[in-house]
Amino acid sequence: AQRVTQPEKLLSVFKGAPVELKCNYSYSGSPELFWYVQYSRQRLQLLLRHISRESIKGFTADLNKGETSFHLKKPFAQEEDSAMYYCALRAGTYKYIFGTGTRLKVLA
Amino acid sequence: GAVVSQHPSRVICKSGTSVKIECRSLDFQATTMFWYRQFPKQSLMLMATSNEGSKATYEQGVEKDKFLINHASLTLSTLTVTSAHPEDSSFYICSASDNRGLYEQYFGPGTRLTVT
Repeated sequence: AQRVTQPEKLLSVFKGAPVELKCNYSYSGSPELFWYVQYSRQRLQLLLRHISRESIKGFTADLNKGETSFHLKKPFAQEEDSAMYYCALRAGTYKYIFGTGTRLKVLA
Repeated sequence: GAVVSQHPSRVICKSGTSVKIECRSLDFQATTMFWYRQFPKQSLMLMATSNEGSKATYEQGVEKDKFLINHASLTLSTLTVTSAHPEDSSFYICSASDNRGLYEQYFGPGTRLTVT
């Protein structure tokens, strides 16, 4: 079965604390994974993709095929990081499967 | 660049009527467009994928006769909810891809549909 699981609906951290948003996937093929972010009253936008191996706004995510995970991490959270984060799996050229999302709240 | 718009942003309609939602790519040619549905506090569910000039491919469980999708040009796709019922009330989001490079999706702002 193709599935993306984000176990935490809400994650609250203090400013300056490390952040880890969990994402696990189930996919029989070669996975391509993404993190999307939705800031308050804004549209969904791509944060990063695993194949680019990039760091965006201080966030990184490493694909761990053994653990079927793609957790999103940032060493020091900022208040402006507060948003809804969705992990997504591309299962085929045109098919994306999204997780249920995790709301990140960074407290001052 | 890569802006996708949706119209209307909110719509209220009566049960039994039909409502059309437009999705436009403003500054690129969208070879493929996607329609998602999002229930409150839940994830985005892919409803269908449409390629310009072709019939849409619907996901399992999505009624093609109820959710009519037309992708008549490289910048416009429409979703028509026919004979709407209150259970069709939801947030509908479109995204578009120009199918170049990494096939990135660009999302519209969404349309809130309320059926009374």
